[in-house]
Amino acid sequence: GQQLNQSPQSMFIQEGEDVSMNCTSSSIFNTWLWYKQDPGEGPVLLIALYKAGELTSNGRLTAQFGITRKDSFLNISASIPSDVGIYFCAGQNSGGSNYKLTFGKGTLLTVNP
Amino acid sequence: NAGVTQTPKFRILKIGQSMTLQCTQDMNHNYMYWYRQDPGMGLKLIYYSVGAGITDKGEVPNGYNVSRSTTEDFPLRLELAAPSQTSVYFCASLRQGKAYEQYFGPGTRLTVT
Repeated sequence: GQQLNQSPQSMFIQEGEDVSMNCTSSSIFNTWLWYKQDPGEGPVLLIALYKAGELTSNGRLTAQFGITRKDSFLNISASIPSDVGIYFCAGQNSGGSNYKLTFGKGTLLTVNP
Repeated sequence: NAGVTQTPKFRILKIGQSMTLQCTQDMNHNYMYWYRQDPGMGLKLIYYSVGAGITDKGEVPNGYNVSRSTTEDFPLRLELAAPSQTSVYFCASLRQGKAYEQYFGPGTRLTVT
């Protein structure tokens, strides 16, 4: 099956620092999604990317859909303590795949105040 | 809208017992999904449904069953619980349209001992 490699596995940063994480795939996707999961909660959608090369922002978050359609990255600027959580990338193909998601293993982010 | 709701939030089962995890969405979404999340891993797809009366296997279906008699409900059944089914279970739904984005419930934490 499709594999997603997400890195880094974990990050420990100081409040105010910028953060970057990325995801690479062995095969192409039509859509890349980034989710955040707080402890004891379900994943919450942060950003969705639909076109190769697309760069999308959501507040302090910026994500890009790689031009090869096999990778994506997420940047968080000026981190704050509430950014703590696990960030997941997910790839999706529309239509015949029934929109099933393939998830990376997650990046655990810790922000030191 | 309540979104995607799941019950129970926590459950402890003995080996060989059975139970049903409930999932309901009030967004009139066609597609629904069940995932399991093991520590340090991403989410793995168990079963999914593209509409009432239609279900199909995901990546890790063994030991589980589902049904979809209505658009709103998508219960997951464990017939003979095993320790390997100790996990956190998430239900998600998606409305086919411009935004192909899955929305997740808060999860059910299941322990089988």
